[in-house]
Amino acid sequence: KAGVTQTPRYLIKTRGQQVTLSCSPISGHRSVSWYQQTPGQGLQFLFEYFSETQRNKGNFPGRFSGRQFSNSRSEMNVSTLELGDSALYLCASSSQAGGGGSYNEQFFGPGTRLTVL
Amino acid sequence: AQSVTQPDIHITVSEGASLELRCNYSYGATPYLFWYVQSPGQGLQLLLKYFSGDTLVQGIKGFEAEFKRSQSSFNLRKPSVHWSDAAEYFCAVGTPNGATNKLIFGTGTLLAVQP
Repeated sequence: KAGVTQTPRYLIKTRGQQVTLSCSPISGHRSVSWYQQTPGQGLQFLFEYFSETQRNKGNFPGRFSGRQFSNSRSEMNVSTLELGDSALYLCASSSQAGGGGSYNEQFFGPGTRLTVL
Repeated sequence: AQSVTQPDIHITVSEGASLELRCNYSYGATPYLFWYVQSPGQGLQLLLKYFSGDTLVQGIKGFEAEFKRSQSSFNLRKPSVHWSDAAEYFCAVGTPNGATNKLIFGTGTLLAVQP
């Protein structure tokens, strides 16, 4: 099986622009989560989607949004980019939603490196 | 609120030496516990996980971790480090009873291996 793929791998934008990042989960996986990784804040949870529904959202401003499509692919969008949005954005997929006392292992993609100038 | 602390930001060990990376968590009950490794330019790879049962868990690449409830710790160990183990290591917790796969990560420990 192919792993989690993220496109593009690298992106350079300027302040004020907007950006869309894409994540294709492992085939058959229906849950997708996004994380932001920066040297200062570490790994922080952004959103979680399952079957096109946002199930959980991290503590990020409204400029950060996401969605999931019927084929489980997910996109995240950042509008009005700021310098502090420069980060590695990681996507993770799992087969099921969380909860019910069961664990669903998450598989991470290689990330998209966003640089805001 | 849940939190994870990795007190060592950077550790250097000699190849062949033993390794222990520390992780402490804050959570009302026993969370799901994980160790991930990240090589430069790569995503995260799961090394091992603990849900319940035997407190000593074995993972990939010769790593093991021990859950100690009394110390709220989940330290990662390896008896003999290889140069290829140089990477950043992250401890994480998940919520067993929440309807979420969300993970909370520690700040990471960067491991350097000397020849």
